[in-house]
Amino acid sequence: DIQMTQSPSSLSASVGDRVTITCRASQTIGNYLNWYQQRPGKAPNLLIYTASSLQNGVPSRFSGSGSGTDFTLNISGLQPDDFATYYCQQSYSSPDTFGQGTKLEIK
Amino acid sequence: EVQVLESGGGLVQPGGSLRLSCAASGFPFVNYAMNWVRQAPGKGLEWVSLISGSGAGTKYADSVKGRFTISRDNSKNMVYLQMNSLRVDDTAMYYCAKSDCNSDSCYTKDYWGQGTLVTVSS
Repeated sequence: DIQMTQSPSSLSASVGDRVTITCRASQTIGNYLNWYQQRPGKAPNLLIYTASSLQNGVPSRFSGSGSGTDFTLNISGLQPDDFATYYCQQSYSSPDTFGQGTKLEIK
Repeated sequence: EVQVLESGGGLVQPGGSLRLSCAASGFPFVNYAMNWVRQAPGKGLEWVSLISGSGAGTKYADSVKGRFTISRDNSKNMVYLQMNSLRVDDTAMYYCAKSDCNSDSCYTKDYWGQGTLVTVSS
């Protein structure tokens, strides 16, 4: 199975800040990388697919990049709603696997 | 509007069985694969099972293979997860999620339900 490793595991930031979350795959996955946001007590929500494509309805302050094994999620101008847990997921092969999550907290 | 709604969770003893249901609407159901993904309390996301749009293709995580069975009824826009020989470590919130394409190789999940909680305990 492909292992997905996110860093950091947690992150404190303030409203208006720019943050970066990284995700590394244990083998090359091309651009088959997705990012999800999960607010407390809610279901995950797809933010970005194929590494850099923004899902419909997702604000443009979210962006993704990377290919191969190394990927990043950037959030610029943090809003109160953005404080949540973020997961990367590889959609290259079965079983599809998720990173352990990055919890973004208010400083 | 795409909607996905799970039901059927509850408390069950180890070794017992439970069937989860997922009702979908707002999209041409037969054209999309569907998934079950679970999340143990305070933990991350774990994919459990996938079924293709026709129902002909299915996949399972090793942790549930041989114990869980996914199925769908395209006439009713429903997906099911039959869970047998349940273990304490199957305790989790179970989410039903729509794939973004039809086949059993469609791993991106673009719409999720709110989940149904399964607790396995004596």
